[in-house]
Amino acid sequence: GIQVEQSPPDLILQEGANSTLRCNFSDSVNNLQWFHQNPWGQLINLFYIPSGTKQNGRLSATTVATERYSLLYISSSQTTDSGVYFCAVEQPNDYKLSFGAGTTVTVRA
Amino acid sequence: DTAVSQTPKYLVTQMGNDKSIKCEQNLGHDTMYWYKQDSKKFLKIMFSYNNKELIINETVPNRFSPKSPDKAHLNLHINSLELGDSAVYFCASSQDETGTYEQYFGPGTRLTVT
Repeated sequence: GIQVEQSPPDLILQEGANSTLRCNFSDSVNNLQWFHQNPWGQLINLFYIPSGTKQNGRLSATTVATERYSLLYISSSQTTDSGVYFCAVEQPNDYKLSFGAGTTVTVRA
Repeated sequence: DTAVSQTPKYLVTQMGNDKSIKCEQNLGHDTMYWYKQDSKKFLKIMFSYNNKELIINETVPNRFSPKSPDKAHLNLHINSLELGDSAVYFCASSQDETGTYEQYFGPGTRLTVT
């Protein structure tokens, strides 16, 4: 099956800092999503981004499908950004998302 | 309006019991899924259903039996619960099974088997 690798595994930030999370995948995909799992366990959809660049407030994401990676940018981080960020991909005719192991982000006040 | 809902949110039960988790989506989607998140937070597919038909059973023990009475509902029944079944179970849905649409996740059901 497809391999999904996220880096770094853990990230500690001071409030107000910027950061970049990376997701590498081993094969072509037709779906790529970024999720934020908050401390209460909810999985929140951040971006549906199989290719291109999107922005939503302080968050933005870029997927370069031909090079099999995606980046999630967090700017001016806030304590509410803490949690685990997951990248998940789906291949054609696979009928499921395959998740990376996640990046645990801790934002300190 | 909750797009994908699950009940119960928490479930604590003893080994050997049988339990069910219910999932409903009001998005009009054709495809629904069950995912399991283990204690290390790793998320893995269990089942995929499209228009009430099973399209993926990802090597899940047959103690787990999904049932889809209609396109909007996908329930998960677990027989003879074991300690290793303790996890968070997420239901999700998408417009269809092609993988070209976003998946939306429910709030999760935390199952604890004692």
